[in-house]
Amino acid sequence: AQSVTQLGSHVSVSEGALVLLRCNYSSSVPPYLFWYVQYPNQGLQLLLKYTTGATLVKGINGFEAEFKKSETSFHLTKPSAHMSDAAEYFCAVSDRGSARQLTFGSGTQLTVLP
Amino acid sequence: DSGVTQTPKHLITATGQRVTLRCSPRSGDLSVYWYQQSLDQGLQFLIQYYNGEERAKGNILERFSAQQFPDLHSELNLSSLELGDSALYFCASSQWDSGTEAFFGQGTRLTVV
Repeated sequence: AQSVTQLGSHVSVSEGALVLLRCNYSSSVPPYLFWYVQYPNQGLQLLLKYTTGATLVKGINGFEAEFKKSETSFHLTKPSAHMSDAAEYFCAVSDRGSARQLTFGSGTQLTVLP
Repeated sequence: DSGVTQTPKHLITATGQRVTLRCSPRSGDLSVYWYQQSLDQGLQFLIQYYNGEERAKGNILERFSAQQFPDLHSELNLSSLELGDSALYFCASSQWDSGTEAFFGQGTRLTVV
């Protein structure tokens, strides 16, 4: 069974600082990988995904993530945090078979300090 | 706006009751997924339908059931409700049953009192 671990349930950064949210997965076969963002009282919005090809993936709002098979990681980064980035971030995986349900990590609440 | 519509947005009901949550997927999407988000369990996959047929089941209780209709909208039925069923229920849709990302609705917040 797949599992996703997000290190740090709460991360605080100053505005303009680097954002780094960590995600590790456990799967016998490299899965599809996703980062979603959830703003208060809203649904989940896809930030970026990795399915195949280039391991550095660029997403919306200046975020990017790198798939590292050797480390079973898919960490999310943004060079310069903005106040509007404050939200909860979820890493998720799905297998490459016919059913594509997502297995989510426990989430990381990002706070951006002025 | 993801294009996935869920109704109602909020629902308050008493223990032992039954409720139905509705989801309209994005136009053209054949797959519908239901997820439950709660403080203690996090985001959990419940069930997936593809073009009217059940495709995968997750941690869905026997008291819960779902279906997808010919017009592709889906309903999640929750019965004999307990306090612990209070959660945010999300519906997501995707174009096929494989290979594409899922788009999430705004969710239905269920409160059982």
